[in-house]
Amino acid sequence: DSGVTQTPKHLITATGQRVTLRCSPRSGDLSVYWYQQSLDQGLQFLIQYYNGEERAKGNILERFSAQQFPDLHSELNLSSLELGDSALYFCASSVAPNRDKQYFGPGTRLTVT
Amino acid sequence: QKEVEQDPGPLSVPEGAIVSLNCTYSNSAFQYFMWYRQYSRKGPELLMYTYSSGNKEDGRFTAQVDKSSKYISLFIRDSQPSDSATYLCAMSEDDSWGKLQFGAGTQVVVTP
Repeated sequence: DSGVTQTPKHLITATGQRVTLRCSPRSGDLSVYWYQQSLDQGLQFLIQYYNGEERAKGNILERFSAQQFPDLHSELNLSSLELGDSALYFCASSVAPNRDKQYFGPGTRLTVT
Repeated sequence: QKEVEQDPGPLSVPEGAIVSLNCTYSNSAFQYFMWYRQYSRKGPELLMYTYSSGNKEDGRFTAQVDKSSKYISLFIRDSQPSDSATYLCAMSEDDSWGKLQFGAGTQVVVTP
């Protein structure tokens, strides 16, 4: 158990809908990262937050947004969902914003039908 | 063409054998090189990281980086069935490790 929690574990929704994925980092970790893992694209970095501020941005679609709250938990919002958004979404956390081991959560499996 | 190429396998080896994994990359700006292990239905776990070229050893694991050839390797000695997992290489241009570029992952099966 990495200490990073993600909810829900599974999510099934229809195209066009909007969902919110939640992540609680390890105690003491200030940085949160979001990743998407799919069979065709592999593991891709989406976005990073550090102490509430956006730190780095990767291949995140405009339909997706995220934020980190004062209590350091983070949410990833996915809207206007498409079939291709079906994937595993991982959250990871680390103490420092750079050059620090990331601890991954168990992931949320999103299925868009 | 992807920036990081990794053979997806599966790679099947008998228990006790050496597992040899590798990745090639095209971006000469990569400086940090990592190996992650991912068990089925779990998140990735960082095994090792190396800065620039050279070797690094940690127990049964050895990571090698050859920047001139844009080639990195991971060796697992005395492999165990518990080493059966998918191994992903990852790379970053700078120490903002969030912007990691991952390989597709190689599935390893160690048979008793």
